[in-house]
Amino acid sequence: DVKVTQSSRYLVKRTGEKVFLECVQDMDHENMFWYRQDPGLGLRLIYFSYDVKMKEKGDIPEGYSVSREKKERFSLILESASTNQTSMYLCASSLTGDNTEAFFGQGTRLTVV
Amino acid sequence: GDSVTQMEGPVTLSEEAFLTINCTYTATGYPSLFWYVQYPGEGLQLLLKATKADDKGSNKGFEATYRKETTSFHLEKGSVQVSDSAVYFCALSGTGGSYIPTFGRGTSLIVHP
Repeated sequence: DVKVTQSSRYLVKRTGEKVFLECVQDMDHENMFWYRQDPGLGLRLIYFSYDVKMKEKGDIPEGYSVSREKKERFSLILESASTNQTSMYLCASSLTGDNTEAFFGQGTRLTVV
Repeated sequence: GDSVTQMEGPVTLSEEAFLTINCTYTATGYPSLFWYVQYPGEGLQLLLKATKADDKGSNKGFEATYRKETTSFHLEKGSVQVSDSAVYFCALSGTGGSYIPTFGRGTSLIVHP
């Protein structure tokens, strides 16, 4: 079974802190994604990566950056956390191909106080 | 750009009732279509998919048929159970060489005993 693992289920951080969310997948997928999920807004794409060291902005990249130094690991960084970044963060991965589905981690519920 | 529109929830049903959740899409080319389910406190997982027109995806009693002429992929189940209570997301990918999934906003299903 494909497994996508996010390092934390719950995080509480203070405004202004630098926050790292880690995601690891174990099936050699080329593509990795970070979404945030908010009530009434569904899933919004923050960043994605097609390969090691490659990254592309999604729909809402402001206030975030990412790092992909190894194929299996994709990190989301909040440079200076703000209260409006309180949300559920979901990591996903997929193979490259027309018919492939995304595999998701369990999610990280981040609260910024 | 590509988009997915789902009926707004919550959908509230009694156990053994018939379920329909509507999904329509706008896309260039011929996307693959997916339904994902998110149980409380978890990430998304694939429920079913269809990769070409008139294909029917099915899993766990749920079905959806890829209707190119109406650009729809409605989810149905003949008899829901309390354990089906979750949020359901319609999604597409594979248009224009992009493998980035595009999600609907999700529909919450609540099934009462």
